[in-house]
Amino acid sequence: DGGITQSPKYLFRKEGQNVTLSCEQNLNHDAMYWYRQDPGQGLRLIYYSQIVNDFQKGDIAEGYSVSREKKESFPLTVTSAQKNPTAFYLCASTLGGYGYTFGSGTRLTVV
Amino acid sequence: EDQVTQSPEALRLQEGESSSLNCSYTVSGLRGLFWYRQDPGKGPEFLFTLYSAGEEKEKERLKATLTKKESFLHITAPKPEDSATYLCAESIHFQGAQKLVFGQGTRLTINP
Repeated sequence: DGGITQSPKYLFRKEGQNVTLSCEQNLNHDAMYWYRQDPGQGLRLIYYSQIVNDFQKGDIAEGYSVSREKKESFPLTVTSAQKNPTAFYLCASTLGGYGYTFGSGTRLTVV
Repeated sequence: EDQVTQSPEALRLQEGESSSLNCSYTVSGLRGLFWYRQDPGKGPEFLFTLYSAGEEKEKERLKATLTKKESFLHITAPKPEDSATYLCAESIHFQGAQKLVFGQGTRLTINP
């Protein structure tokens, strides 16, 4: 079945450490997105990519970085510059903006 | 600036008690109004997409409607398993790209 796979499900980061969240899709979708969700809040856009080797900052990109070397993959790195990284991270993809599919999320906690 | 506002933030109903959730949105570059269901610790699950005012869609106990500036998610005779957070999102066209702008969600609890 086609879908989006996010890994790991849970991730713990020490102070000053960079961590990378994985997002893989087999839907043949062109566009991919990373959202952050804090308790009791909606989803906020971090980065998005419409095609391979191209990506744009969303509303809260500071302290994050991404790459899009393959159509299927859109990893997100949470850098040490992100001062409050504890959150639930969701990856999504779409073909033309007429339907968005989400992964099951990664919960990141600072220890 | 595109904004999506949902109300109420939380709603507690008795089993069988029908109600509606509201989503207000801006209309610049609208390419669809989406409703998702999200269970705790999981990703959003797609429910409906609405594209034009007057459009309605139904699925089991849920019905979504759309006007020029609002969408409603009507829940009829809800059951405890309908308890979840319901997210509304506006799909917009922005600088050659499409993206979803989300409201903060309505946390729905159905008591047996």
